[in-house]
Amino acid sequence: SQQGEEDPQALSIQEGENATMNCSYKTSINNLQWYRQNSGRGLVHLILIRSNEREKHSGRLRVTLDTSKKSSSLLITASQAADTASYFCATLPRGSTLGRLYFGRGTQLTVWP
Amino acid sequence: ETGVTQTPRHLVMGMTNKKSLKCEQHLGHNAMYWYKQSAKKPLELMFVYSLEERVENNSVPSRFSPECPNSSHLFLHLHTLQPEDSALYLCASSQVGQLDTDTQYFGPGTRLTVL
Repeated sequence: SQQGEEDPQALSIQEGENATMNCSYKTSINNLQWYRQNSGRGLVHLILIRSNEREKHSGRLRVTLDTSKKSSSLLITASQAADTASYFCATLPRGSTLGRLYFGRGTQLTVWP
Repeated sequence: ETGVTQTPRHLVMGMTNKKSLKCEQHLGHNAMYWYKQSAKKPLELMFVYSLEERVENNSVPSRFSPECPNSSHLFLHLHTLQPEDSALYLCASSQVGQLDTDTQYFGPGTRLTVL
C-alpha cells in the first residue's frame, strides 16, 4: 500500500504543550502534505513539504521530512483547545500525473483546556 | 470556506432510493475527486476526473456512478445502496500539472445514512 500511516492514532495533551505526530510512507514521493479535519467536516490543507526539503514552518506548525527513512513529523507548538481535530498526512507519489494523494488513517488530537 | 461546496450536507435514504450528491468548485481547478470516509478507515479515493480523464477505484461498487459535466461540477449518483455505504462523502478539487503541488481543497462533505 502507498498510504501513509500516522502515529500515534490518538494523542491527548494539555493546552500549552507541544503535540508531535508522525507519518511513515512506502514509496518515493514528490511531496508530502498535512491536513486537518474537524469532526464531521472536510479536510483543510495545512502545509506541504517537497521531497527536496527537510523542514518547513508555518505559524505554530513545524514539519520535517526524512526521505531516507520515508517519514515525516508534524509539530504543533503551544497547543490550543481549538487545535483539537484529526490530522492526516498525504503523499503525492513521484511521477504522479493525476494528482492522486494517498492518505493515512489520521491522528486524533485532543487538547484539554 | 475552501471554495468547494457540497449539497446536501446530510442525506438519509432507503436501500431502494436513488439520490445524487452534488459538488461545485469555484477555484478554476482542473481535477475533482470523490472520497469516502468511514470510521476508523483511511480516506478512500473513489473517483478522479482530471484533465477530462476519469480514473476509478476498481473496488468501488457499480451502485456508485460519477458524472462530471464540466470542470466545475461533479456528481455522485447513488442507487440501491447498502447500509455499509453509510459514511461521509467528500469532494475535493486541485490544479493538476503544477509541479510539486497538487494541494487538494475539500468540501464540507455529505453525511450519508442508508437505512
